[in-house]
This record gives sequence, structure tokens and C-alpha cells, in this order.
Amino acid sequence: EVQLVESGGGLVQPGGSLRLSCAASGFTFRSYWMSWVRQAPGKGLEWVANINQDGSEKYYVDSVRGRFTISRDNAENSLSLQMNSLRAEDTAVYYCARDGLREELPVAFDMWGQGTMVTVSS
Amino acid sequence: DIVMTQSPDSLAVSLGERATINCKSSQTLLYSSNNKNYLAWYQQKAGQPPKLLVYWASTRESGVPDRFSGSGSGTDFALTIGSLQAEDVAVYYCQQYYNTPRTFGQGTKVELK
Repeated sequence: EVQLVESGGGLVQPGGSLRLSCAASGFTFRSYWMSWVRQAPGKGLEWVANINQDGSEKYYVDSVRGRFTISRDNAENSLSLQMNSLRAEDTAVYYCARDGLREELPVAFDMWGQGTMVTVSS
Repeated sequence: DIVMTQSPDSLAVSLGERATINCKSSQTLLYSSNNKNYLAWYQQKAGQPPKLLVYWASTRESGVPDRFSGSGSGTDFALTIGSLQAEDVAVYYCQQYYNTPRTFGQGTKVELK
């Protein structure tokens, strides 16, 4: 089955750290860019970071650059997001998403996981 | 960063009626090298992740009902639900993937009248 499954969310104090993981299955993981997208409670969608197929290119939204690190393990078909110096405004559901391809051209996020909740609170 | 602005913020439509959501980008999303607009539409139902409906501004994703159609080019786009069904109640987002950071519109909530 083609799917993405996130894990690692939870409650953390401000200034703390958390590592999210996303397990991919059912497709050739190493062939795709991958992204993390978050959604604060009752709010819209915000792209957080993405990574290219071999992990050599990484991009971040300004609000997390220097605090979050995206990485991947193509041998394990997994994507990770290391989150440090967490703030209350990082509270959100974090989704793992695949940057799709059609005719070898990008088509935005064509696969999403169910998400994992991160709550930053004292 | 490219700013995506949707209108309206919410929309109440009767069953079987047409619903149209607009999306405007702060700069062109048309890739001149392949003449494709890097604009996608998503549907998000309560408690679920988003689902891709349309990419390249007007190409329906596989399995998406043909009552959903995307249109527009450059900076102005629209998603039309041709005949609203009860299962279409959701929040709809446009998103540009022309460059990084990827940015989304604020969302449009579609409800039944």
C-alpha cells in the first residue's frame, strides 16, 4: 500500500526538542523530493521544509531556519524533522508530504500522511 | 515570497449549485519553459489531511470527480465545483509550487446552504 506514516509528536516544553519521523512505503522513496507541512489548530497550511532526492538540497521557511533540520534515509525509506528550540507558535499538526511528479514534472503534494501533533507548552 | 490570496473566505452553496473559489498570486506562476502554471488545489475535510484535487492549475488528479475543475493562468486562478454534493463540504486551499518557500492561500470554507 502506498502510504506515509508520521510519528514522534507529543507535548514538549518551550525551548525543548523533538524529532519527527515519516515512514514511506509502496513507492520508490528515493525518487522524490519530500516535504514537511504543518497546520496550527484551527489555522491554514504552512510549508515547513523540503529535501531533494539524495539529501543534498534542503530548504526551510524563515520561521524555522536554524532551529529545524530535515533529513532522510533512503535505505530505510524514512524522512525526519529534528526540531530544536521549540516555541509555542510551533504547535501544530505536522504532515509529511510527497512532492509529486507527472511526466517528470512537479505537481505539488500528491501524497500526505495522517499527521502527528506537536504541542509546545509549559 | 509569493503571496497567495483566496476569495471568498467562506461560501455557502445549495446542493447541486455551482461553487467558485478564486486564488490570486503576487507573481506569475507560469513556467515559460513548459507553459505550465505551478498552481495546485487541495481539499481538506475535517480531521483529515489535505487531498490533491488539481495540479498545473487545470489538470485533475486521478480519481477526482469531474465536477471539480481548475482554470486560470499567470496570477489569477479559480476552482469550480460544478454541482455541489454533500461530501464536498470542506476547506479548499490553493498552493504555488513555482518556487520556495511553497505558499498556500488562507483557505476557503465551503458549506451547505
